[in-house]
This record gives sequence, structure tokens and C-alpha cells, in this order.
Amino acid sequence: GAGVSQSPSNKVTEKGKDVELRCDPISGHTALYWYRQSLGQGLEFLIYFQGNSAPDKSGLPSDRFSAERTGGSVSTLTIQRTQQEDSAVYLCASSLKGGNQPQHFGDGTRLSIL
Amino acid sequence: AQSVTQPDIHITVSEGASLELRCNYSYGATPYLFWYVQSPGQGLQLLLKYFSGDTLVQGIKGFEAEFKRSQSSFNLRKPSVHWSDAAEYFCAVALLDGGSQGNLIFGKGTKLSVKP
Repeated sequence: GAGVSQSPSNKVTEKGKDVELRCDPISGHTALYWYRQSLGQGLEFLIYFQGNSAPDKSGLPSDRFSAERTGGSVSTLTIQRTQQEDSAVYLCASSLKGGNQPQHFGDGTRLSIL
Repeated sequence: AQSVTQPDIHITVSEGASLELRCNYSYGATPYLFWYVQSPGQGLQLLLKYFSGDTLVQGIKGFEAEFKRSQSSFNLRKPSVHWSDAAEYFCAVALLDGGSQGNLIFGKGTKLSVKP
């Protein structure tokens, strides 16, 4: 079956612009996670969704970052007024119901801020 | 605080040689541990997981890992490395307390190079 799909695969934008990153999880997976992977910080958790609710937003680095999930499926991560330090690979993962269930990752969106 | 340490940033082994990648964790409760592999430009693929029970777990691609509670370790092993195993390997622990429901804490990764 289809895995986790992320789009775009690459995004280049100018500092100060807003960007939207999309994640389409595996069908039937109620849990969805966003992570950020950067050279300096490694892999960092950003936000967790269970259905359409986000009980854990503790990893979002600033109020410029937000995310939503609609219909218990597709999720969008939005970064407003991008800064150069936002350059990273943004990875999305889904799992059957969260908890200790294994997470399945997409290939990520590589974001470059000029 | 919860953490995962992978002490080796980069390891080079010869094809056919054995491999051990080290992972130490710090977590107050029962750890749920994972090893993932990442090839360049790709996402993370799950190799194996440990939840409870037998401390030696088998995974895909001939990998295994051993959980040692006394050493807070979860080392990954493979008896004979293939050139296609060259990639970056990440150890992770799932957070299951408070509002966390499976958020993964990752180590910094170990990059594996394979010599012909």
C-alpha cells in the first residue's frame, strides 16, 4: 500500500515568506507526527496529532510555526515569516494509533531559506 | 531528561565484516526502543523495535539488537555487512508520559561507510 507522502519534496523560498508543507499519512493511521532534521540539531520532534487534535505541540520552536490536520488525514505544517535557521528537512510520520506503535516516515521536504 | 546517545558519529567497516552500532538511553520508565536507517534523500525506515520480553530482537535486512537494562543500552548488530548497508542509523526512544504519546527522541545518528 501507499506510504506516507510529503510534498513538495524540495522548497526554496526567500527569507520572510510563508511556506506550507503537506503530509498525507498512511490510510487508517490516526497518529501523525512532524519532525525536523537539521545538521546542527539532528532529529527533533515538532508536533503530534491524534485524529484532528494536537495534544502535544511542545516541539514547535516558535509561534511562527503552526500545523493543522483535517479529516483525520492530511496535515499541513505552516511556517510564517521564514528565517534562515528554518532551513532543514521536515519529516512527517504516521502510526496506527500512537503510543508505542512504530512510526512510518515520509521522504521529507527539504526547505531552503535564501 | 530523556536522551539517546550514539557515541560513534562515523564508522567504516569492510564488506563482510561484522558490525555493532552503540546506543545508550536515559529514560525513567520502561523504554520503547527503535532503530531506524536513513539512506541519502530518503525518510527513515524502521529496522527493529523493542517493547518487552526477549531482550534480543530481530529486524529486517539481517539486523538484530540487544536490550541491556543494566547498561541502558540497545546496540545494533549485523554479522556480515553488505555494501548496501551504507547509510545513517538512528536509535530512538518513544516518550509515553504526560502529553507525549509516542514522540520519538533520537540519537544524533551513526553514519556507516562500507569498504569493498
